[in-house]
Amino acid sequence: TQLLEQSPQFLSIQEGENLTVYCNSSSVFSSLQWYRQEPGEGPVLLVTVVTGGEVKKLKRLTFQFGDARKDSSLHITAAQTGDTGLYLCAGAKGAQKLVFGQGTRLTINP
Amino acid sequence: GAGVSQSPSNKVTEKGKDVELRCDPISGHTALYWYRQRLGQGLEFLIYFQGNSAPDKSGLPSDRFSAERTGESVSTLTIQRTQQEDSAVYLCASSPIARTSGGSEQFFGPGTRLTVL
Repeated sequence: TQLLEQSPQFLSIQEGENLTVYCNSSSVFSSLQWYRQEPGEGPVLLVTVVTGGEVKKLKRLTFQFGDARKDSSLHITAAQTGDTGLYLCAGAKGAQKLVFGQGTRLTINP
Repeated sequence: GAGVSQSPSNKVTEKGKDVELRCDPISGHTALYWYRQRLGQGLEFLIYFQGNSAPDKSGLPSDRFSAERTGESVSTLTIQRTQQEDSAVYLCASSPIARTSGGSEQFFGPGTRLTVL
């Protein structure tokens, strides 16, 4: 049973389009992190959201934490080929442990 | 400064052999984590160290898996009598002490790709 469900698992779109990736759970998390992973490398942190309802923007990426702190979304505006990668959400359970979703593999086609 | 390093980067072994995977965390990071990532999948938590102690070993899939950490630094993940289903990328991450219950950023190494024939 996956504690954090990400959708879609695979997404392939054209450069310039917008997209949203979802991360859902029935559990409450103290915070939620989004990571991006490229082939042959470890994941790299993009953002941490802590407060229910919080919205954070990182250039063309917008991250939102649900009011109940059970879900999150990542919205990318005007996608670029450099956005291609595996996007992972991870919920914090306590001070140290993270629970990861299965990831969304995003491909941006030129 | 140097990031998290892992060795070897690739390991091919025969079924039934033992393997040791090494992780060198970022200097000064007290927490260290091991994850397993199967092809195209997310990260599966294996074990977490705080200093040299492992308060959470809940993710170790069987008693063939063990890990230790010494000097609050290097960690070794050992898999005994490897099976084909152990084939995966094994990722190590380290983080400083979490300031709040919100969780600290984890800094990942590049992983060790293990292939069991």
